[in-house]
Amino acid sequence: DAKTTQPNSMESNEEEPVHLPCNHSTISGTDYIHWYRQLPSQGPEYVIHGLTSNVNNRMASLAIAEDRKSSTLILHRATLRDAAVYYCIPKPAYGGSQGNLIFGKGTKLSVKP
Amino acid sequence: NAGVTQTPKFRVLKTGQSMTLLCAQDMNHEYMYWYRQDPGMGLRLIHYSVGEGTTAKGEVPDGYNVSRLKKQNFLLGLESAAPSQTSVYFCASSLPYLTGNTEAFFGQGTRLTVV
Repeated sequence: DAKTTQPNSMESNEEEPVHLPCNHSTISGTDYIHWYRQLPSQGPEYVIHGLTSNVNNRMASLAIAEDRKSSTLILHRATLRDAAVYYCIPKPAYGGSQGNLIFGKGTKLSVKP
Repeated sequence: NAGVTQTPKFRVLKTGQSMTLLCAQDMNHEYMYWYRQDPGMGLRLIHYSVGEGTTAKGEVPDGYNVSRLKKQNFLLGLESAAPSQTSVYFCASSLPYLTGNTEAFFGQGTRLTVV
């Protein structure tokens, strides 16, 4: 499994952009990069995923480095509801045990009003 | 659309007691998972299932058993609870990861305390 490195914690002000980094230097060429977040006292929820190109959805944007050894989750305007632990998870493009989500400790994002 | 539902939400057990946690999903997903999360930690995979009647061990399977008799249900059993099994348990489901292009859906968790 690819190893990931994320900051333990980050702070942001409400309505400002937030860039959450993740290093995954041992990622395989076929691994997707998934991001999940976990709001307080809730189960994780899917945020976004990508393979090589930058990706956008209603929740966030994902910027993937050209060498794929790092990625950045971008929240364009942080809200108080975005305060959560964010997990970056490389995931192989096939099923079986290799396809399971392996969670690290993630980055705890705090949002100040 | 309920998604993934876990029962019960809270439970206190005495050491040595047994119990079963139920996970139900209504999305017709093939894959189901049980994770545990200890304070300040990420989730760790206990067992998973890639289809009805099939289960496999994850990262921390000791002390737990699972069954997947019906596609929509995944049961996690503790035969003889220990204080080390005090944790929050999450169930998840997904389509088969055939392309890596799928997401997992999680339940709200079961908070278990073993005294």
